Order: sequence, then C-alpha cells, then structure tokens
Amino acid sequence: DMKVTQMPRYLIKRMGENVLLECGQDMSHETMYWYRQDPGLGLQLIYISYDVDSNSEGDIPKGYRVSRKKREHFSLILDSAKTNQTSVYFCASSLGTANTGQLYFGEGSKLTVL
Amino acid sequence: GEQVEQLPSILRVQEGSSASINCTYENSASNYFPWYKQEPGENPKLIIDIRSNMERKQTQGLIVLLDKKAKRFSLHITDTQPGDSAMYFCAARGFSGSWQLIFGSGTQLTVMP
Repeated sequence: DMKVTQMPRYLIKRMGENVLLECGQDMSHETMYWYRQDPGLGLQLIYISYDVDSNSEGDIPKGYRVSRKKREHFSLILDSAKTNQTSVYFCASSLGTANTGQLYFGEGSKLTVL
Repeated sequence: GEQVEQLPSILRVQEGSSASINCTYENSASNYFPWYKQEPGENPKLIIDIRSNMERKQTQGLIVLLDKKAKRFSLHITDTQPGDSAMYFCAARGFSGSWQLIFGSGTQLTVMP
C-alpha cells in the first residue's frame, strides 16, 4: 500500500514551545520533503532529504530543522515555535532524486501557534 | 529562487463548459511539469503530468499543453463537473538552491451546476 503518514494531524502550541512533526512512508522512496501551505502562496519547500542524513534546505528553511535517521521516516522540528509558523505542513516522498517523478503527499498536519 | 506563475487564482465555470489554467516557468532546463488537484481538507494528488519531450498529453477529460519556447504550460479540463471543483497546482522542475519541483500558487476552481 503506497502511503505517506503524518502525525499528528492537528496540533496547537504556544509561542516558544517546541514542535515535532513526524512523517513515514512505506514505499522505500529515497527522497522526502517537507512543505508548508498557506493561502495564496501554494506549496513552499522547507527541506528536502535525499536519503538518510542527507538533507538540503529548501526555499524557506529558517526556523525549521529536520532529521532523517531511517529512510522511511522524516521529521520536521520547530525549536521555539512562532505565530507565523501557523500553517498546514505536508510531507511528501518520491522515488529517486531527480525530481522527475510523482510526489506522494501525506494528509497534512495543521499547526496552530498561539 | 525560481518561481512558477499560475493564473488565474480563482476560476468559476458552468458545468459542462471547459476550464483552463495557465502557468509560466523561468528555467529553460525544466523538463517535468505535473499538475496536482487538492480537494478541501485533503492532500494534493497528481492528476496528469507532461515531460519536455512532449507538447500535448491527454487523459480522462484532462489536456496538458507545453510550449517550451514560451516557457508556458496549461491544463484544460473539458466538460467540467461539480466534482472537478478543487484547488489545482501546477509545478515545474527547476533550480532553487537544488533541483526541485517549484509549485505555482494555485487556482481555486468552482464548477457551478
């Protein structure tokens, strides 16, 4: 079953608290991504991971860090969350590293920072 | 970084008519152009894609056109139905720090009965 699973789906945090968003995929895909989606801005890439411990910044990495210790698992960490990080976060995976293949998206994690 | 411009941002059409969404990209080396559909509260799902060795692709009421000279590609939905109402995103493979898919800002399509 080709699936990308995100946890938690909904999260409310206070400003300054730490946030951990987790993502798993069962397709043995090498490449995984974290995007955030805001109205009118589409999907903005935060980080891309080409394999275990091989991560690169995307367009908006500031305020975020990632961890990939297993191929099937990719975490997004917010140290000291800010109100402007309120958003819907999508994890995705794809086969290979050339970005010419289909992205499979998770169901999204809606984060509210108060 | 590179950007993909997507227009219109809002599109309303009558059921049974066609809908067209246009995107332009910056990098002439871009070679992959997918389209994603996102229904409310759900994740984006690939509906059709085209590679740079093609000018036209069609599947199940969807047509994608690619004009490499103009760096423009478009999605055409024929005989629209209420179930086509959704957010649509175009994307192009481009370079922004690394090779990645760059998404347009989305088109909210509403098909009116």
